[in-house]
Amino acid sequence: QVQLQESGPGLVRPSDTLSLTCAVSGYSVSSSNWWGWIRQPPGKGLEWIGYIYYTGTTHYNASLKSRVSMSVDASKNQFSLKLDSVTAVDTAVYYCARMAPYTFGSYFDHWGQGALVTVSS
Amino acid sequence: QSVLTQPPSVSGAPGQRVTISCTGTSSNIGANYDVHWYQQFPGTAPKLLIYGNKNRPSGVPDRFSGSRSGTSASLTITGLQAEDEADYFCQAYDSSLSAPGFGGGTKLTVL
Repeated sequence: QVQLQESGPGLVRPSDTLSLTCAVSGYSVSSSNWWGWIRQPPGKGLEWIGYIYYTGTTHYNASLKSRVSMSVDASKNQFSLKLDSVTAVDTAVYYCARMAPYTFGSYFDHWGQGALVTVSS
Repeated sequence: QSVLTQPPSVSGAPGQRVTISCTGTSSNIGANYDVHWYQQFPGTAPKLLIYGNKNRPSGVPDRFSGSRSGTSASLTITGLQAEDEADYFCQAYDSSLSAPGFGGGTKLTVL
């Protein structure tokens, strides 16, 4: 079955770059799906960060666009997230997820378990 | 501020029926983009519960149902069980943002 697993540092200093990787198993990142990142601040709701296609095409949340970058490594069957110049408001659980192909607005059908990233000095 | 509006909390006794609303605008639900629902237990990742307004992925009990009308959607749980106590989020694409948007989430308490 499809499984996703986030990995990366759990603590990032303010003004540094947050870097996370999502390893995919049971499915190829080169298949016809978009791959997304969503975050959830402690006790709050879900915020879409962006998604990437295996070709490298990306779409980012406008509010984060100037600080976000995503990439795909098909040889390792994984995709990654970088968020620059982080502050305390970027503290959240970060989820990677697969988007299902869907005509009238896609949805996330498989999620990683989440990675808590705390921004603190 | 969430793209879609949900009540912060709902509650019901075991066996009862509860409905969670999800209100959008003319740029998301009202623009005929479908609504999807997720269930999240504390400390775990969201799980897809309903997709395409009313479709259940394999393994989701038929006690869960969804509907959409106009600029709103609803998730209904019948025969409420203690194990249904969780947070529920709706999601739909928003054309003005060119992005998927989520509701703020609703905490379901089983009394």
